[in-house]
Amino acid sequence: AQSVSQHNHHVILSEAASLELGCNYSYGGTVNLFWYVQYPGQHLQLLLKYFSGDPLVKGIKGFEAEFIKSKFSFNLRKPSVQWSDTAEYFCAVKNTGNQFYFGTGTSLTVIP
Amino acid sequence: DAGVIQSPRHEVTEMGQEVTLRCKPISGHNSLFWYRQTMMRGLELLIYFNNNVPIDDSGMPEDRFSAKMPNASFSTLKIQPSEPRDSAVYFCASSPDLGWTHNEQFFGPGTRLTVL
Repeated sequence: AQSVSQHNHHVILSEAASLELGCNYSYGGTVNLFWYVQYPGQHLQLLLKYFSGDPLVKGIKGFEAEFIKSKFSFNLRKPSVQWSDTAEYFCAVKNTGNQFYFGTGTSLTVIP
Repeated sequence: DAGVIQSPRHEVTEMGQEVTLRCKPISGHNSLFWYRQTMMRGLELLIYFNNNVPIDDSGMPEDRFSAKMPNASFSTLKIQPSEPRDSAVYFCASSPDLGWTHNEQFFGPGTRLTVL
């Protein structure tokens, strides 16, 4: 079965630390890839997306993600996190069959 | 643009009662998705519609769950009868279309359902 794996369930960082959240998917065909963020008590919002072209995608709030096709990965990065980045982060994949799959999420806590 | 609108925002009900969740997608969007979020299972896709037609309902947990989209601006998710294990946050999302571009999903604020 196709799936999206987020290996880190809960990450705790101090402010200014660098962040990398892992995301791997299992689908051999062409995919669209997304990272969503859910701030406490709020709904999911799109951080960034990859459709085609440059595998390094820049998103809002200083986030970026790199699509590595050979590794079926789409890891999320930020060089310096802030307290306001405390949230739940979801990786999502859409395949050519128009099926969406979300990962189980990674909870990020940034300590001031 | 008001975004995706869901109602109610919170629902507390007793086991066995019927629950109806409502969603108004963003105007002009052709696709609508219902998700359920729990601590144990994360975010699960329940069903999605394209042009008001259900495309994939394989995520609907059982026959107690049903969803309808009578027109392009309204959808309901009904649970009858409800059970405590249905307690979750239910999100509705809409997307411009299912095509290979412009297929970002826009999420509503969610309905927090508690079944006692």
